[in-house]
Amino acid sequence: TQLLEQSPQFLSIQEGENLTVYCNSSSVFSSLQWYRQEPGEGPVLLVTVVTGGEVKKLKRLTFQFGDARKDSSLHITAAQPGDTGLYLCAGGRNAGKSTFGDGTTLTVKP
Amino acid sequence: GAGVSQSPSNKVTEKGKDVELRCDPISGHTALYWYRQSLGQGLEFLIYFQGNSAPDKSGLPSDRFSAERTGGSVSTLTIQRTQQEDSAVYLCASSPRTGNEKLFFGSGTQLSVL
Repeated sequence: TQLLEQSPQFLSIQEGENLTVYCNSSSVFSSLQWYRQEPGEGPVLLVTVVTGGEVKKLKRLTFQFGDARKDSSLHITAAQPGDTGLYLCAGGRNAGKSTFGDGTTLTVKP
Repeated sequence: GAGVSQSPSNKVTEKGKDVELRCDPISGHTALYWYRQSLGQGLEFLIYFQGNSAPDKSGLPSDRFSAERTGGSVSTLTIQRTQQEDSAVYLCASSPRTGNEKLFFGSGTQLSVL
């Protein structure tokens, strides 16, 4: 079983602060996805990274895929209350099911 | 439809009863997944369908759980003789094709077993 470990499990910060959450594995993935989930809804895809060392930016969110394609990070600049949610990473392989981490619950206080 | 549709959105049942949960994937998506999520936790893989291939059932927690996908589209997850530990949100997702692991999720079915 390929495991994805996310850290921290919980994070509570004030509006305007920066933060980084991590997704680590001992396995290599062909791609890695980040999702955000709000209460009562299913996860929504934020980004997919496929190339080792790749960096993608989505407004205030910066995603990086590790050189060895085993880990990833999500950095949020100047967090807003609307960023609150459960952030999940998922590892994809060339065929078969995605493996999800347990998520980081982010709370951004006004 | 425009997105993945799941029904019912909420289901309350008594211990020992059977339940059926339905998932309508995005039209044309060949891959369909069922996951289970406990409150505030990550996603626990249950079962994966890909085209006409045999489903990957490796995540089903017991033989009380089963799933079908008819005509390569609609899927039904059945839980027989429900137990209180089955209480969770059951999420369905579809994907355009294998190897493109961009999953589109429904809003889930909240199952409560009393």
